[in-house]
Amino acid sequence: AQKVTQAQTEISVVEKEDVTLDCVYETRDTTYYLFWYKQPPSGELVFLIRRNSFDEQNEISGRYSWNFQKSTSSFNFTITASQVVDSAVYFCALSRVGSSASKIIFGSGTRLSIRP
Amino acid sequence: KAGVTQTPRYLIKTRGQQVTLSCSPISGHRSVSWYQQTPGQGLQFLFEYFSETQRNKGNFPGRFSGRQFSNSRSEMNVSTLELGDSALYLCASSLRAGASGTEAFFGQGTRLTVV
Repeated sequence: AQKVTQAQTEISVVEKEDVTLDCVYETRDTTYYLFWYKQPPSGELVFLIRRNSFDEQNEISGRYSWNFQKSTSSFNFTITASQVVDSAVYFCALSRVGSSASKIIFGSGTRLSIRP
Repeated sequence: KAGVTQTPRYLIKTRGQQVTLSCSPISGHRSVSWYQQTPGQGLQFLFEYFSETQRNKGNFPGRFSGRQFSNSRSEMNVSTLELGDSALYLCASSLRAGASGTEAFFGQGTRLTVV
């Protein structure tokens, strides 16, 4: 069975602080995709990143960085120098590869609040 | 290009009624998936349609159904509404079936309230 756990329900930090959102996943598949999505108050899920299980290289995109560690089944997300606009609910997700990949398994989300 | 469009944005229905929600995917995208988001259960996969065929289905009762038209637009229908059906229903559009090879783009959702 596939499962995604985001143990941090809510995080609140002051603007400009760095913050890391944790994500731990479970799957028996050897090949899979991992995702992070952002859900602002408007409701839509905004795609942030997709990572193939074969690629353990960490990725940086501006103030965002992702640390994928297959050995610990974790895919953590760090925001550097946080801004108020980063306030949202963030979801980590997992899917299979192939025709059944349409079913994305989401974690329960982490509500991030950035205080000015 | 235009994003995923879901209509209506908000809906209030009475228990026992039925409801139809609409999703227009990004132009050129042929796969549409539906998700239900509730505070208690989080985001759960409902079903996926590709080329007018249902390809995958989540663990929801038969009251939840959907279809896809030749222009890739999709509708989902919920019959005999229950209070527990109150949720944000999100539609995701992708180029091909599944998330393989590409990411899914989500609409803003339809917030359904059952009273």
